[in-house]
Amino acid sequence: AQKVTQAQTEISVVEKEDVTLDCVYETRDTTYYLFWYKQPPSGELVFLIRRNSFDEQNEISGRYSWNFQKSTSSFNFTITASQVVDSAVYFCALTNSNAGYALNFGKGTSLLVTP
Amino acid sequence: DAGVTQSPTHLIKTRGQHVTLRCSPISGHKSVSWYQQVLGQGPQFIFQYYEKEERGRGNFPDRFSARQFPNYSSELNVNALLLGDSALYLCASSLVWQGAANTEAFFGQGTRLTVV
Repeated sequence: AQKVTQAQTEISVVEKEDVTLDCVYETRDTTYYLFWYKQPPSGELVFLIRRNSFDEQNEISGRYSWNFQKSTSSFNFTITASQVVDSAVYFCALTNSNAGYALNFGKGTSLLVTP
Repeated sequence: DAGVTQSPTHLIKTRGQHVTLRCSPISGHKSVSWYQQVLGQGPQFIFQYYEKEERGRGNFPDRFSARQFPNYSSELNVNALLLGDSALYLCASSLVWQGAANTEAFFGQGTRLTVV
């Protein structure tokens, strides 16, 4: 069975603060894929990153960075110098062949960035 | 280029009724997936279609059905609506079957279904 846990339900920060969104996953498979999506109030899910289980390199994209650690089954997402436009719900997701490659989402973390 | 388009954007139905939701994928994309997102939860996988064939089905009752047309658009049908079917229904398209797992899924803005 697969499971994604996002323990932080809501986070509130002041603009320019750094914030880390936690994601812990469970899977028995050795090959799997992890994702982060952003869901603004308009509703659509915006793809942020995909990482496969064989690539533990951390990634940085502008103000966004991701820390993948297989030893702790975590795939955490950090926003540096947060901005009001970062306010959204962020979802971590997991998939692999046993899931038919359907995305298995966590419950999401609602991030509010205030001026 | 147009993104994934879903219609209608909002819908109110009565318990016991039937509903059809529609999705047009990004031009050139051949795979469509449907997800249900109940308020405060993450999306739950319902169906995946590729080249007009069902490639995956989530843990949903038989009241839920879908199909994909020759132009790759898709319909999600729900019969005998229950109050618990109230949710945001999201459609995602991808270039190839997501079984390739290295393809990005693009989501539409969803259809907000309210069952009263």
